[in-house]
Amino acid sequence: SSELTQDPAVSVALGQTVRITCQGDSLRSYYASWYQQKPGQAPIFVISGKNNRPSGIPDRFSGSSSGNTASLTITGAQAEDEADYYCNSRDSSGNHYVFGTGTKVTVL
Amino acid sequence: QVQLQQWGAGLLKPSETLSLTCAVYGGSFSGYFWSWIRQPPGKGLEWIGEINHSGSTNYNPSLKSRVPISVDTSKNHFSLRLSSVTAADTAVYYCARGIEGLGNRIFDVWGRGTTVTVSS
Repeated sequence: SSELTQDPAVSVALGQTVRITCQGDSLRSYYASWYQQKPGQAPIFVISGKNNRPSGIPDRFSGSSSGNTASLTITGAQAEDEADYYCNSRDSSGNHYVFGTGTKVTVL
Repeated sequence: QVQLQQWGAGLLKPSETLSLTCAVYGGSFSGYFWSWIRQPPGKGLEWIGEINHSGSTNYNPSLKSRVPISVDTSKNHFSLRLSSVTAADTAVYYCARGIEGLGNRIFDVWGRGTTVTVSS
């Protein structure tokens, strides 16, 4: 079982804001990174920490962290944001890497 | 722009050895960590392990005994071998480039994935 827990699914109305959370003890010490995966495609890196986005990722994606919880917020969700989202960080030992259980985001 | 191209056998019988290779094109091989990540059908992502250009490795403890990762810097390739496969190893296997970021490993470039099925 994963050391990083995410809600299985969330939905958001087009243009509204949605927050996806990732919980785990290691997040008290390490930042999380977030990945978007659309059906049949490889994941793509979306954001790390608060605002470390690669080029091409819109600024409607933002990150935050508090205690044992990291969050990815999509402000003004678009239809193309519908996808599975995974967090990742170090495991509880700090020596290896783990992914969260994943959240399916549906844009209504 | 860096691209990862991966290949390997897609259909294996139980107890056989999975072998996948990933080639790095368009960028430096040194200075990064090169990972294998898998995704069983309908499930989430699992980090398998990583290697750097000098051959230092780091493995998921749950797979460590079965999964050497090797590197060929002359070809900018890195490879995964997973021994004694079972149906539980059926998954899409991705290679990915890892960079150090904010104390974590960021997987910023991914291969397209190779579907591996283990069936008798």
